[in-house]
Amino acid sequence: NAGVTQTPKFRILKIGQSMTLQCTQDMNHNYMYWYRQDPGMGLKLIYYSVGAGITDKGEVPNGYNVSRSTTEDFPLRLELAAPSQTSVYFCASSYPEAWQPQHFGDGTRLSIL
Amino acid sequence: DAKTTQPTSMDCAEGRAANLPCNHSTISGNEYVYWYRQIHSQGPQYIIHGLKNNETNEMASLIITEDRKSSTLILPHATLRDTAVYYCIVRVLGSNYQLIWGAGTKLIIKP
Repeated sequence: NAGVTQTPKFRILKIGQSMTLQCTQDMNHNYMYWYRQDPGMGLKLIYYSVGAGITDKGEVPNGYNVSRSTTEDFPLRLELAAPSQTSVYFCASSYPEAWQPQHFGDGTRLSIL
Repeated sequence: DAKTTQPTSMDCAEGRAANLPCNHSTISGNEYVYWYRQIHSQGPQYIIHGLKNNETNEMASLIITEDRKSSTLILPHATLRDTAVYYCIVRVLGSNYQLIWGAGTKLIIKP
């Protein structure tokens, strides 16, 4: 079982560059999420999606964009990379019921220099 | 939003039961308590969740007090591979089902 797959695993960007973090899941989950985790801290929700074509902002959406054209894929876009976006990014997915747990990918470690 | 309080770190001897406490005194009656763990900066791993009753699965047991203001995660026979950061989370109800993550408890299993 692949579960939630994130690519790339590591990336270094220069200030002002753009990139897309990829996330795909094969569990047919309706809900998908993007989190960031700074050193020594818990995760913070950036964006989430409850189904194809539907996305909404989380706690820290500034500087990011998302799209959800299929059930499987939920890419995260950084348009103008800033040093404050240096972090580890995790994608997750779940079934829609409130009690269902979220399943996480292994993360993308991003450094902005 | 309900929030949780956990000790920053804990030690436990290998083979013993690890008991991780969590305080969630502002929890609402219909909000679930979740436990996840994160091993060495990997993606968080779901452990267990509960609403009112105690729960047990192949990984752990969850004991929730009758007033629901606190809970304890029990790893019955801790191994070195259980060394991780453990997060106690109350799931916020609403349209986004957001998980509010604290800093968690760093559990170190010692041989």
